[in-house]
Amino acid sequence: DTEVTQTPKHLVMGMTNKKSLKCEQHMGHRAMYWYKQKAKKPPELMFVYSYEKLSINESVPSRFSPECPNSSLLNLHLHALQPEDSALYLCASSLLREGETQYFGPGTRLLVL
Amino acid sequence: AQTVTQSQPEMSVQEAETVTLSCTYDTSENNYYLFWYKQPPSRQMILVIRQEAYKQQNATENRFSVNFQKAAKSFSLKISDSQLGDTAMYFCAFGMNTGNQFYFGTGTSLTVIP
Repeated sequence: DTEVTQTPKHLVMGMTNKKSLKCEQHMGHRAMYWYKQKAKKPPELMFVYSYEKLSINESVPSRFSPECPNSSLLNLHLHALQPEDSALYLCASSLLREGETQYFGPGTRLLVL
Repeated sequence: AQTVTQSQPEMSVQEAETVTLSCTYDTSENNYYLFWYKQPPSRQMILVIRQEAYKQQNATENRFSVNFQKAAKSFSLKISDSQLGDTAMYFCAFGMNTGNQFYFGTGTSLTVIP
């Protein structure tokens, strides 16, 4: 099973709302990633978790707050977002070995009004 | 720093024909990994093919094959017998042998014409 699931599929939120995105995998992967993707652009890395610890934070604004409660679950908490944060948010996971394939979820399409 | 370049923003191919998507990269590393990912419209990004830089043999997966030229830092994807379902954005990605970070190219939007 090479499935990464993400919920919700779509999300509309106002600039004062607080919401969370959820990502789950049951492949035993110990690396999990959040990416932001604008239309017709490549994914931009936001965060990397290795063994449930944050290992890479690509200078993402603090209005995005990641959380990795366990090895299968990754959350992205959103607060006070801006309209320019509207994008497709992708979660991915991989084994923690060199050159391992990242498996992507279907994404959450976020619209900030 | 690693950079990945896809010089063809858009391409089209007739159904059943062959098309080649180009990718070049720049790195000072000797050991690394290269990937082609496919992202159909409004659908999930999936791995097409993976190449290990220390292997001279070009990777193949059914109708998909790569031409890996390490000295030229080139990693092109050939799609044979193109099908309508191949219509998608194709991203070339570079992965280091340490750490978990991928470097993506800007993508090539491929349309297969019936």
